[in-house]
Amino acid sequence: GAGVSQSPRYKVAKRGQDVALRCDPISGHVSLFWYQQALGQGPEFLTYFQNEAQLDKSGLPSDRFFAERPEGSVSTLKIQRTQQEDSAVYLCASSPSGGVRDTQYFGPGTRLTVL
Amino acid sequence: SQQGEEDPQALSIQEGENATMNCSYKTSINNLQWYRQNSGRGLVHLILIRSNEREKHSGRLRVTLDTSKKSSSLLITASRAADTASYFCATANTGNQFYFGTGTSLTVIP
Repeated sequence: GAGVSQSPRYKVAKRGQDVALRCDPISGHVSLFWYQQALGQGPEFLTYFQNEAQLDKSGLPSDRFFAERPEGSVSTLKIQRTQQEDSAVYLCASSPSGGVRDTQYFGPGTRLTVL
Repeated sequence: SQQGEEDPQALSIQEGENATMNCSYKTSINNLQWYRQNSGRGLVHLILIRSNEREKHSGRLRVTLDTSKKSSSLLITASRAADTASYFCATANTGNQFYFGTGTSLTVIP
């Protein structure tokens, strides 16, 4: 079956632009996570959804970051008024059950470059 | 901020040798997972060990967990050039958060 997919794979934005990053999790997976990975670092937790409910958004770095998963499947991470420090790879992962008890399956990521 | 730290940060070995990477973390966990990441790619899950387990094997991989020392190790036996990648440990706490370490960059020389 298909794994987690993300689009676009690469995004270049001018500072101040809004961007939207899409994640298609594995069908039927309950949990969906977003991470930010800076160059040479490990991924950092941003937010967590259980079905359509956003249960934890404590990792979102500012109110310019917004995530949604309205029907409990596809998720979108939106960044408003992008800044250069937002440049990173944004990873999405899904898991079959709720919480962090199981394996997370990662997508290939979206590399965002803010000029 | 990241909870875990891997040690060493970088490791270079000859093909056929064993590679050992260590991970330390700070708080109580539900489970600990190891992932591999090839340059420019997403993360691939390797193995999950729960807090009540001490050792787990999967093929050439062996993972140990010592909750009293808040540490874990990943052993790759009989390494291959294809094992060259970055390896991350990730800890699942009692909430809904998943914390990755800083990673070990492994190079296996053919």
